[in-house]
Amino acid sequence: HITLNESGPTMVKPTQTLTLTCTFSGFSLSTRGRGVGWIRQPPGKALEWLALIYWNDDKRYNPSLHSRLTITKDTSKDQVVLTMTNMDPVDTATYFCAHPYTEEFYYFDYWGQGTLVTVSS
Amino acid sequence: DIQMTQSPSSLSASVGDRVTITCRASQDIRNWLAWYQQKPEKAPRSLVSGASTLQSGVPSRFSGSGSGTHFTLTISSLQPEDFATYYCQQYHRYPPTFGGGTRVEI
Repeated sequence: HITLNESGPTMVKPTQTLTLTCTFSGFSLSTRGRGVGWIRQPPGKALEWLALIYWNDDKRYNPSLHSRLTITKDTSKDQVVLTMTNMDPVDTATYFCAHPYTEEFYYFDYWGQGTLVTVSS
Repeated sequence: DIQMTQSPSSLSASVGDRVTITCRASQDIRNWLAWYQQKPEKAPRSLVSGASTLQSGVPSRFSGSGSGTHFTLTISSLQPEDFATYYCQQYHRYPPTFGGGTRVEI
């Protein structure tokens, strides 16, 4: 049974860097084909994919945010960390981590509950 | 990026109604399309992958169809627990992109 759980600050100030951690269970990122992704959702708006990291350290980023994003994994801790630099109020959103079905079929079959991050001074 | 356009953005329906939601892709995505259901303050739930394959545990009143650029999600007989927002997502090309959502309300 796969579970994912996001953790991190609920509020950051403009220009600060956001660091979010996804702690998961039920699979290992040392297993071929496995990955973890991040998706966000501003209040009342649609979903936006941010980044994905796979078992072999292959990393994919949303081109529109690539310069601000870094995704890393710690296989020993079953964690994936997303950092986003230069935060702005428009980045206020619920941030979800999710499990892609496979490397080839990167729809998300399991999701964390999400964490709301507010950007405000 | 591949743009995903859903219609309608919202609809009103009653229990027992047949509901159809449309998703169009800006280019051919074959059948690399997923559908999700999201209830308020909850994470999305995967309903359909491969345009028409129901995920485990999804009621059979849900069905997906389409290929290429035109896709539909149909709920054959709307139940109270189906009132939610539905999103499509393509996974044919990076970056994966979502539609704008369709809110199904009473």
